[in-house]
Amino acid sequence: AQKITQTQPGMFVQEKEAVTLDCTYDTSDPSYGLFWYKQPSSGEMIFLIYQGSYDQQNATEGRYSLNFQKARKSANLVISASQLGDSAMYFCAMREGPFAQAGTALIFGKGTTLSVSS
Amino acid sequence: DTEVTQTPKHLVMGMTNKKSLKCEQHMGHRAMYWYKQSAKKPLELMFVYSLEERVDNYSVPSRFSPECPNSSLLNLHLHALQPEDSALYLCASSQDRDRTGYTFGSGTRLTVV
Repeated sequence: AQKITQTQPGMFVQEKEAVTLDCTYDTSDPSYGLFWYKQPSSGEMIFLIYQGSYDQQNATEGRYSLNFQKARKSANLVISASQLGDSAMYFCAMREGPFAQAGTALIFGKGTTLSVSS
Repeated sequence: DTEVTQTPKHLVMGMTNKKSLKCEQHMGHRAMYWYKQSAKKPLELMFVYSLEERVDNYSVPSRFSPECPNSSLLNLHLHALQPEDSALYLCASSQDRDRTGYTFGSGTRLTVV
């Protein structure tokens, strides 16, 4: 079974509009972290935002916010006021286990391609 | 500029060639990773190193051979690859207690002909 599911292969949005990218996850570990990355056509993975399983509040980083619904195991990324430069592939990823455990890799979803038009 | 440096950025190799991919980080991170990204597939984790020791148990074809000479360097040796091995190979590093995530390199785009 997939641990990270991103059901939207592609999303289209106009400049200045908000967009939500969906992510659901599956884990039985009570301690985990959820990450969102942006991958432009250049290939580099750019870290956007992080949510820990024990965090009481939803994470926010500038125009990015994470709608974390623990009971539903969802961690949707909300981008407010979209810009042309936001056009890229977006990946949701999860780390299982506490941070003190060294060498725990991220597991990624298939990604969502976001296209922002003017 | 990324703090994880991967070389080369592009590589074209024949199926009988031997080549190596290099990944270097100078952030003092204790863990390093190799991922393979094929078109329309999720990133596939290939190898994990923590404190220079391999700690994964993923089944990866033996034509891929990782090497971690020191805590800052992670190599991926390639031999007798197949065309389906053509992909973007991404290296990443992480530190314990790193809530900001994992730092990725820009990748090596590999084409096997």
